[in-house]
Amino acid sequence: AQSVAQPEDQVNVAEGNPLTVKCTYSVSGNPYLFWYVQYPNRGLQFLLKYITGDNLVKGSYGFEAEFNKSQTSFHLKKPSALVSDSALYFCAVRDLYNTDKLIFGTGTRLQVFP
Amino acid sequence: EAGVTQSPTHLIKTRGQQATLRCSPISGHTSVYWYQQALGLGLQFLLWYDEGEERNRGNFPPRFSGRQFPNYSSELNVNALELEDSALYLCASSSTSGDNEQFFGPGTRLTVL
Repeated sequence: AQSVAQPEDQVNVAEGNPLTVKCTYSVSGNPYLFWYVQYPNRGLQFLLKYITGDNLVKGSYGFEAEFNKSQTSFHLKKPSALVSDSALYFCAVRDLYNTDKLIFGTGTRLQVFP
Repeated sequence: EAGVTQSPTHLIKTRGQQATLRCSPISGHTSVYWYQQALGLGLQFLLWYDEGEERNRGNFPPRFSGRQFPNYSSELNVNALELEDSALYLCASSSTSGDNEQFFGPGTRLTVL
């Protein structure tokens, strides 16, 4: 079965410092991987995706993610965190057997302190 | 370009009642997905509609149902509401071409008393 895991419930980082939100995946074949962000009382906003090609994917709001096949990871990164980045972050994999269903991780709450 | 819209924003029902949630996809998108985000359970896939047909459903009982209209908007119906149906229900849409990432609406917060 295809799945993603987000091992950290919460990540705390000081404003201006680099941030990393971790995600590992388990899929058969080549993964389609996504990151979404959810602000309080809001829906999910698409940040970035990896389908194929360059292992470093750049997305919205200065975020990027690195696809690492050997470690089956797709960690989300940002060189300099902002207080406004504080939100709930979800990693997801597209279920290739059901074509379009997204399978989400449990989410990681990012807290950026001033 | 308008994003995915959902109505109502909030819905309060009592146990045993029926709830109807609505979703309008991004213009040009033909696929609509429904997800449930319940406290402590994360995001769970509910239903997928494309071109008016139900293409797939998640591991939910039959009292969760829906439909997609000719204009690609969609309804999610939940019959015989139970307390544990209280959740944020998110709708997403995508096109059928390209890498078709899903774009989400703001959600409907359903509270069952």
